[in-house]
Amino acid sequence: ELKVEQNPLFLSMQEGKNYTIYCNYSTTSDRLYWYRQDPGKSLESLFVLLSNGAVKQEGRLMASLDTKARLSTLHITAAVHDLSATYFCAVDMGRDDKIIFGKGTRLHILP
Amino acid sequence: DTGVSQDPRHKITKRGQNVTFRCDPISEHNRLYWYRQTLGQGPEFLTYFQNEAQLEKSRLLSDRFSAERPKGSFSTLEIQRTEQGDSAMYLCASSYWTLQETQYFGPGTRLLVL
Repeated sequence: ELKVEQNPLFLSMQEGKNYTIYCNYSTTSDRLYWYRQDPGKSLESLFVLLSNGAVKQEGRLMASLDTKARLSTLHITAAVHDLSATYFCAVDMGRDDKIIFGKGTRLHILP
Repeated sequence: DTGVSQDPRHKITKRGQNVTFRCDPISEHNRLYWYRQTLGQGPEFLTYFQNEAQLEKSRLLSDRFSAERPKGSFSTLEIQRTEQGDSAMYLCASSYWTLQETQYFGPGTRLLVL
């Protein structure tokens, strides 16, 4: 069964702290995506990761990919309140169920 | 570039009725995706097009669902004989196919089936 699992599913943290969201997937993949979704809004693309060892950074967010472990991480550095949102990882399986999303990690950053 | 637009934004219908949603992608984008999202869940892939060709369709997608993209521009998603379980947000995304493909999502159409 094709699975994409995120953890934690909910995270409440203080401003200024660091934390990591994990995304495990169950089969080989062409590419992995990270998205942000604000309440009542649509999804915003954050990162596309293609190859083993890929690392991308934008502001306080850094995403990495380990294809051998089938694991991606989204690291938040010195969190600020504006980063409060739900973060999804999604994996392109390259076949029928082409893109599988995780359940999302709801991040709440306390000021 | 006005982004991806979807119409209508909200739709309430009675069980058994047919509904049709429209998505207008970013103009130069050749790929168009449809997803469904229920509360507290991640989006679920439904189908996608490259230009006017429908390349993949989720195995989970009922035969009541059909999508078209005539002329490779806008797309429509039709649900026939709606059921209460079809209530969800229907999201459209478009992209220009490259190795670093980035999908741009529309605001979604929220469907409520009574």
